[in-house]
Amino acid sequence: QSVLTQPPSASGTPGQRVTMSCSGSSSNIGNNYVYWYQQLPGTAPKLLIYTNNQRPSGVPDRFSGSKSGTSASLAISGLRSEDEADYYCAAWDDSLSDYVFGTGTKVTVL
Amino acid sequence: EVQLVESGGGLVKPGESLRLSCAASGFTFSSDSMNWVRQAPGKGLEWVSSISGSSSYIYYAESMQGRFTISRDNAKNSLYLQMNSLRVEDTAVYYCARGSVATAGIHYWGQGTLVTVSS
Repeated sequence: QSVLTQPPSASGTPGQRVTMSCSGSSSNIGNNYVYWYQQLPGTAPKLLIYTNNQRPSGVPDRFSGSKSGTSASLAISGLRSEDEADYYCAAWDDSLSDYVFGTGTKVTVL
Repeated sequence: EVQLVESGGGLVKPGESLRLSCAASGFTFSSDSMNWVRQAPGKGLEWVSSISGSSSYIYYAESMQGRFTISRDNAKNSLYLQMNSLRVEDTAVYYCARGSVATAGIHYWGQGTLVTVSS
């Protein structure tokens, strides 16, 4: 059972803006960096956002991350069909001494 | 080009052991922290273990502590995961991954190797 809670699903039409949340606590998101990973069907995960809001090279600026208190959010603007994937947040948890992943949000492009 | 290639997965019975390997190339292996992350069929991601470049720092997920051992051989650019007393619930794809989870995230992932624990 994950300590980071994400909505199970999110959806939008092409071109729309979709956001998803990641709720944690002071021992993880509240005191550490947040990371976001994208997992396309049948493939390995890919780092999308690191240290709260930074994009690795090659990640489109349509993807943006933010953090406030013990919660974080990922936004996808200009939604495209290739964005259909599972998205996971993650953070180090000081109490557990574990790297914890969120429950995951499945994004569907309608 | 960074490459992480896992091997060693397969079908084992409950209580048995298995050793996973990960061959790394395309970067200075000894400089980077490495990790194992797993994903049970149809489920989410679960961090298993991390090891620093010099093996000075090693961390395990609580549920794997005592049964799994992570190690590395920098001379061979290889990462390992020794898994003992395997349980049915350890069935998963195991990913080798490069990066410092707490400070920079996991920037590179292998394609994974499937471990199936079944009687």
